[in-house]
Amino acid sequence: DGGITQSPKYLFRKEGQNVTLSCEQNLNHDAMYWYRQDPGQGLRLIYYSQIVNDFQKGDIAEGYSVSREKKESFPLTVTSAQKNPTAFYLCASSIGEQTQYFGPGTRLLVL
Amino acid sequence: GNSVTQMEGPVTLSEEAFLTINCTYTATGYPSLFWYVQYPGEGLQLLLKATKADDKGSNKGFEATYRKETTSFHLEKGSVQVSDSAVYFCALNGGSNYKLTFGKGTLLTVNP
Repeated sequence: DGGITQSPKYLFRKEGQNVTLSCEQNLNHDAMYWYRQDPGQGLRLIYYSQIVNDFQKGDIAEGYSVSREKKESFPLTVTSAQKNPTAFYLCASSIGEQTQYFGPGTRLLVL
Repeated sequence: GNSVTQMEGPVTLSEEAFLTINCTYTATGYPSLFWYVQYPGEGLQLLLKATKADDKGSNKGFEATYRKETTSFHLEKGSVQVSDSAVYFCALNGGSNYKLTFGKGTLLTVNP
């Protein structure tokens, strides 16, 4: 079955630590996205990538970094510079500008 | 810039009641419009979409019509079920920048 997988489901970060969230898709989509969701809020775009080896900042990129070395994979690193990282992180993918499909999400908690 | 405004929840209904969740938008050009649903602890699932004015999207008994004259895309269902309890997000794609703009979501609870 084609789809988007995110791991882990839950992730704990200590102060000053970088953590990496995984996102993999086997839909052969060229574009991938990372969103952050906070309680009672809509989703906010962190980064997106239209093609391999290229990515653009979204609305809230500060404190985050990404890479896109393979079409299937778009990992997100939450750096120690992100002072309020507790949130639900959602990865999505699409064919070009068409409909975005979402993964199951990773919940990041700070210890 | 683009924006989406949807009715604030929570919305609580009895099973078999009629559902309307209002959504209005501001956008330049001719956006595509979407409704996504999020069940507790899960990611978003596409519920329906419409890509041009007067299009009606439909899925699982839900419907929404793209109304350019009123810049609206209201979600409706004639008879809700307990299993429809979830958060519903209205969103638009403004075109060339790949970016989806979301409303804040509406929590729907359906009681038996």
